[in-house]
Amino acid sequence: EIVMTQSPATLSVSPGERATLSCRASRSVSSNLAWYQQKPGQAPRLLIYGASTRATGIPARFSGSGSGTEFALTISSLQSEDFAVYYCHQYNYWPRTFGQGTKLEIK
Amino acid sequence: QITLKESGPTLVKPTQTLTLTCTFSGFSFSTSGVGVGWIRQPPGKALEWLAFIYWDDDKRYSPSLKSRLTITKDTSKNQVVLKMTNMDPVDTATYYCAHARWPQGYFDYWGQGTLVTVSS
Repeated sequence: EIVMTQSPATLSVSPGERATLSCRASRSVSSNLAWYQQKPGQAPRLLIYGASTRATGIPARFSGSGSGTEFALTISSLQSEDFAVYYCHQYNYWPRTFGQGTKLEIK
Repeated sequence: QITLKESGPTLVKPTQTLTLTCTFSGFSFSTSGVGVGWIRQPPGKALEWLAFIYWDDDKRYSPSLKSRLTITKDTSKNQVVLKMTNMDPVDTATYYCAHARWPQGYFDYWGQGTLVTVSS
């Protein structure tokens, strides 16, 4: 089973600043990596797939990078609605696996 | 547009079998490439992938839960059913169903989730 490790567990950033979240896979997952955003009481929402492709309707301030085992999600200028928990997800191997999440909080 | 909705009991007793139904619209298992998965999330914890079924009835399970899970589909009803046997309080979680397409595997549409509590 592929283990997905996200860091940091919690990231405190001020609105308007840049945030970079990391995700590491225990084995190469090629570019088969997605990022989701989850707000309290809501289902996850797809942000990025294929490691770097924004899903429909996702603002350009969200960008994904990486391949193999190292991935990053960058939010260029944080808006108030961006403070949430973010999960990475590999879909290269069965079973599919998620990271443990990074909570992005207001500094 | 694609929508999914989970339904089932909100409370089950330990050792009972949980049956959850995902009813969807906007796509059909008659279309090749379609898939639906189940993911759960204990309160305050991370997402956990459980099971997946494709249009051609290919099924995949989490190895740690495989002995307890069964996933099936009803193409005519646009439904996917997940059964989990021998429920335990640690299985208390919000259970989500979500849509994905072959060969991609990311979940692009999610249901709202349903909270299942396991308690005597």
